[in-house]
Amino acid sequence: GNSVTQMEGPVTLSEEAFLTINCTYTATGYPSLFWYVQYPGEGLQLLLKATKADDKGSNKGFEATYRKETTSFHLEKGSVQVSDSAVYFCALSDSRDTGFQKLVFGTGTRLLVSP
Amino acid sequence: DSGVTQTPKHLITATGQRVTLRCSPRSGDLSVYWYQQSLDQGLQFLIQYYNGEERAKGNILERFSAQQFPDLHSELNLSSLELGDSALYFCASSVPLGGGQETQYFGPGTRLLVL
Repeated sequence: GNSVTQMEGPVTLSEEAFLTINCTYTATGYPSLFWYVQYPGEGLQLLLKATKADDKGSNKGFEATYRKETTSFHLEKGSVQVSDSAVYFCALSDSRDTGFQKLVFGTGTRLLVSP
Repeated sequence: DSGVTQTPKHLITATGQRVTLRCSPRSGDLSVYWYQQSLDQGLQFLIQYYNGEERAKGNILERFSAQQFPDLHSELNLSSLELGDSALYFCASSVPLGGGQETQYFGPGTRLLVL
């Protein structure tokens, strides 16, 4: 079945450090890939997405590139801020049918950024 | 603010009881997805409705059911509640798009505590 594997957290960084959160996937077909972020006490927000190989999704300084050859979608940011502290979820959708795109999520990685 | 609303925000109830969670999708979104987030199972897809019809089922227990009404709001009904049903329940809505382009927008969630 389809699955997403994320690195265990928490990831603890100082402000302005470089961030990488690893994500690999297993899927039949040709999935779309997503990163969602969950701030404390809130719901999930879409951070970025990529729908085909070599696509780079980017938003708010975060980037991730869809690597089909390594089945990966690692999240990176060049300089993290305290406000980036949250839980980050990698997810995939393996359907390209219109009106049907259930998401399969990884376990989430908690990021803690200290001043 | 994603535009998806969920009520109530918190719900405390006892084992054996029945509760209803409500979700209003973003204006114009035809699809509603329900997810459960628990400590042991992570984020799991439960069920999807598309324009009033059930479209897909995931790991949804038989004690749980859902429906989508003509105004496109959706309700998730949980009955014969058990301690293990305590979780955060999210709904998400989307505009149906093909080719893996669909993006789901999540509500803030309903936190259910079964005592």
